[in-house]
Amino acid sequence: AQSVSQHNHHVILSEAASLELGCNYSYGGTVNLFWYVQYPGQHLQLLLKYFSGDPLVKGIKGFEAEFIKSKFSFNLRKPSVQWSDTAEYFCAVTNSGGYQKVTFGIGTKLQVIP
Amino acid sequence: GAGVSQSPRYKVTKRGQDVALRCDPISGHVSLYWYRQALGQGPEFLTYFNYEAQQDKSGLPNDRFSAERPEGSISTLTIQRTEQRDSAMYRCASSLGSAEQTQETQYFGPGTRLLVL
Repeated sequence: AQSVSQHNHHVILSEAASLELGCNYSYGGTVNLFWYVQYPGQHLQLLLKYFSGDPLVKGIKGFEAEFIKSKFSFNLRKPSVQWSDTAEYFCAVTNSGGYQKVTFGIGTKLQVIP
Repeated sequence: GAGVSQSPRYKVTKRGQDVALRCDPISGHVSLYWYRQALGQGPEFLTYFNYEAQQDKSGLPNDRFSAERPEGSISTLTIQRTEQRDSAMYRCASSLGSAEQTQETQYFGPGTRLLVL
């Protein structure tokens, strides 16, 4: 069975600080990887995804994530956070074969202080 | 509408009552998924449909939980004889292609927050 670990459950940053949220998954096969974001009062939205190809994936709002297969990792980064990035971030994985049963991590709450 | 919608957004019920949660997927989306998210946790898979066919219900916690999608569009998740431990956010998602296709993205609705007293 696949699983996802998010190491930081609650992160507090000042505006303009750099962000890196860790995500590791356990699954031996080929995977699809996602980061979803939930802004306060809103629903889960797709931030970025990796299916194949360039392991450095760029998403919306200046976010990017790098798939490192050898480390089973898909960390999310942003060079300079804004107050509007305050949200909860979920890493998720599906196996490339078979149906898209998504396994989510526990989530990381990011609070950006103005 | 353009996105996945769910109703009601909030539901408060007494223990022992039945509840029905509705999901209206993005028009034309083949697959529909239900997830449950307890407080402080990530969403956990419950069940999914391709069109009207329920393909996997292995995530349903017990036989009090059931789901249907009779016409391949709107889906209803029903919880019978609710218990306090059923309190959670129930999320619905849909994807354009069938769930067995690779490289599909799931689009989520706003969720229904259920509180069982």
